[in-house]
Parts: sequence; C-alpha cells; structure tokens
Amino acid sequence: GAGVSQSPRYKVAKRGQDVALRCDPISGHVSLFWYQQALGQGPEFLTYFQNEAQLDKSGLPSDRFFAERPEGSVSTLKIQRTQQEDSAVYLCATQRLAGGASYEQYFGPGTRLTVT
Amino acid sequence: KNEVEQSPQNLTAQEGEFITINCSYSVGISALHWLQQHPGGGIVSLFMLSSGKKKHGRLIATINIQEKHSSLHITASHPRDSAVYTCAVGGSNYKLTFGKGTLLTVNP
Repeated sequence: GAGVSQSPRYKVAKRGQDVALRCDPISGHVSLFWYQQALGQGPEFLTYFQNEAQLDKSGLPSDRFFAERPEGSVSTLKIQRTQQEDSAVYLCATQRLAGGASYEQYFGPGTRLTVT
Repeated sequence: KNEVEQSPQNLTAQEGEFITINCSYSVGISALHWLQQHPGGGIVSLFMLSSGKKKHGRLIATINIQEKHSSLHITASHPRDSAVYTCAVGGSNYKLTFGKGTLLTVNP
C-alpha cells in the first residue's frame, strides 16, 4: 500500500487480557517508531527500530510492553496483562532513512485501545 | 527534557480569518515538524523546518531558532482546515517530542 497501515483500528480488551497491535510500514522504510497517545495529549515515544534492530525501548512504560520487527518490515506491539491505564491510541510511524529527527515521519492511522 | 508548549489549546475562527498557532520549545533542536490530524483521520506531516519559513498553499510555517519559537499560519481559513495541529521537535537523535496539539474549528 501507499501508506503506513495499522490493525486493528479499534480494540477493546478486558483488564488482564493480552493484545497485539500490528504495523505495516511503507515498503523499504528503514526506521519504525511506536508512540502512545493518551486522550488530550500529544504522542509519547515508546520504541524505535532500525530495520529489525530495536535500538531504543526507553519509552516502554513497563515490562508488560514488548515490540518486535523480526524481518525489518512488519512490527508488532504486544501488551500483556492489560491495565486501564494502557487505554490510548497507539501510533506507528516510519521514516525512509535511518535515524535523524530531520527526516519526515509517516504516521499510520493508529489503533485505539480501550481496556475495560 | 525538551518541553514543547503550544498555544492556544483551542481556537475557533470564522471562515476566511487568518489563523496563527504558536509553538515554543525549551532546548536546541535540529528540526521542527508541524502535523495535522482531521477528526477520525490519521496524522499527516505538513512541514519540517530547521530555519526560516516554508509555504504550501494557504499554510505558512516559520521558525526562529534563537527565540525557540515556531508559528503555523493559515490564510483565508476554510471549514476543511478544522483539525488538530501539533508541533513536534527533534534534537540530535531520532526522537521527537510532541506538543499537546491545538484544536482548530473553522465555522462557515
């Protein structure tokens, strides 16, 4: 496809359930970011991949959050034992080149996670 | 930590008005991005600035590096401009720090 896609677009999980959120990047894009956007807030950095390497996971809020990009393309963000405070929109963004805040990021539509 | 402040948080305008949204940040940056998100839509990158001014159609973005300030202007605003506008700044690495966004509503 032409842009970054994410699935599912909406996810309702009961507290304690595990969820997996998928990001399909623009083909050939090296860099991939995951962000968490709480209601009324700007996106917050979670983790960064350069190809298949997870170079930075400093923004992951707890060890219940895990992200992977095994073949340097599709990425999955997994949240184990979901809590209500995990309710947010999870955004994926990709960049054509490696690193650098001076490069444009292309955002997916996000997955809205609601934990009940 | 680089703090990013946007003002105003909410802005209502009449069609045709000139709009200004402001963004201030606290530390040195390598680039500043302006992003747009329509209701129910995804985030779209409008501009990326490291100095000076950029123009695209009715949108103009300026940045003053010394004052650590950027503005996004919309001339001849239209209801279809109604969206959340967010600025994000990046330093020497890949991380972006986002403002909370400005909700713009343009009434016909």
